[in-house]
Amino acid sequence: DTEVTQTPKHLVMGMTNKKSLKCEQHMGHRAMYWYKQKAKKPPELMFVYSYEKLSINESVPSRFSPECPNSSLLNLHLHALQPEDSALYLCASSQDAHPSNNSPLHFGNGTRLTVT
Amino acid sequence: GEDVEQSLFLSVREGDSSVINCTYTDSSSTYLYWYKQEPGAGLQLLTYIFSNMDMKQDQRLTVLLNKKDKHLSLRIADTQTGDSAIYFCAEKGSSNTGKLIFGQGTTLQVKP
Repeated sequence: DTEVTQTPKHLVMGMTNKKSLKCEQHMGHRAMYWYKQKAKKPPELMFVYSYEKLSINESVPSRFSPECPNSSLLNLHLHALQPEDSALYLCASSQDAHPSNNSPLHFGNGTRLTVT
Repeated sequence: GEDVEQSLFLSVREGDSSVINCTYTDSSSTYLYWYKQEPGAGLQLLTYIFSNMDMKQDQRLTVLLNKKDKHLSLRIADTQTGDSAIYFCAEKGSSNTGKLIFGQGTTLQVKP
C-alpha cells in the first residue's frame, strides 16, 4: 500500500468541465509533486511544491492549476482540457526537494484521466 | 544535457536472474534510483545507491554502479512472475532543482 493517497482513481471529463485531482500524504514530507505519465513512458514532471510554495512549473499550460493548501495536501485543478491531456496523473512526495539530499520520491497510485 | 537510457524489454524464465541496465550522462549525479511500476499502479521505490558506492545489496536485489562508465544495473535474483513490471532507473540531476531524470523504462516479462 502506498502512503500517498490520490483521489479519484479514475476520472472522465468533457472538454468544458472543471474538475480537481487530490493528493494527501501524512509522512511529514515537505515537498510534493505532480507528474503526468502516458502509457509505456516515464513520468514527466509538471509541478513541484517545496514548503507549500510552488518552486517548479515545467511550462505547464494554464488549464492545469496546482494548489497546496497545507503541507499534507496537494490539488490539481483542471479546466478546458484537451483529449491529448488524457493520461495517468501521479502525485509524489519527498522529505524535501533539496538537490543534494537523498530524498526519494514516494508515489501515489495515480488518477487515470480520460478527456472526451 | 542530462540523459538516462535503458533497453526497452527483457524476457526471462522464472527462477533465472534478471539484469536490467541503465546508462546516464550526468557525471555529477549524486543519487541513482530504481523504481518498479506494475500495471495500473504508481511507481514503487525499490532501491537507491549513492554515487560514491559501487554496489548495494538488498535481499534479492543487487545494484551495481560503474561511475567511470556511467553505468548502473539492477540484478534480480530468482526472478518470480510477480516481478513482471516496468523498471525505471532515475538519477538526481546536478542542477539546482534536484529534479529526477528518468530513463524510458524496461519492461520485464517473466515466463513461467
